Amino acid sequence: DAGVIQSPRHEVTEMGQEVTLRCKPISGHDYLFWYRQTMMRGLELLIYFNNNVPIDDSGMPEDRFSAKMPNASFSTLKIQPSEPRDSAVYFCASSLWQQLRDYGYTFGSGTRLTVV
Amino acid sequence: DQQVKQNSPSLSVQEGRISILNCDYTNSMFDYFLWYKKYPAEGPTFLISISSIKDKNEDGRFTVFLNKSAKHLSLHIVPSQPGDSAVYFCAASRNTGANSKLTFGKGITLSVRP
Repeated sequence: DAGVIQSPRHEVTEMGQEVTLRCKPISGHDYLFWYRQTMMRGLELLIYFNNNVPIDDSGMPEDRFSAKMPNASFSTLKIQPSEPRDSAVYFCASSLWQQLRDYGYTFGSGTRLTVV
Repeated sequence: DQQVKQNSPSLSVQEGRISILNCDYTNSMFDYFLWYKKYPAEGPTFLISISSIKDKNEDGRFTVFLNKSAKHLSLHIVPSQPGDSAVYFCAASRNTGANSKLTFGKGITLSVRP
């Protein structure tokens, strides 16, 4: 298995531009999570899906952020318009419900976003 | 409000000695705890977990201890090796039935000196 695949690995964009981050979870996993890592706040949960349905989006910081999971093998996190304070590393993770408690999630390598 | 706290941002240890990484939590509903390890430019990877019905879980050089009354857990690495140098995240979850999520601390950077 190739693991959780995120693209792009690095993204540099100008303030005000739209940014789309992509994630392919591990095949067969029924949970998908989007996290953001910053020095100040550590790893923050933004939103998570179960069987492609958003369950909890309370961590999404503002209306500028949106996430979709149109099918079991693909999810996007979109920021529109982007701002410099959105600069962070964004991680996608997936898991099986049966493994969630004992093994947690499998994370992707992350997308490092820089908004200038 | 940080429900999972890793108050020491960094730790430096000599190779061969014990590394002790601490974690505190505030939510008494948490009943499962995990440690993740993260190398630069990679995602966090699962290391070890413990259920609240236990007070210790061991896996090779890694042991996690849980003190529920103090809402405290610790990760012991013995002996420490240079390859253990990484950021370590403590995480916790509570049993909410079908839907469960992890709450992470800010992480501790461990440096193991050769």
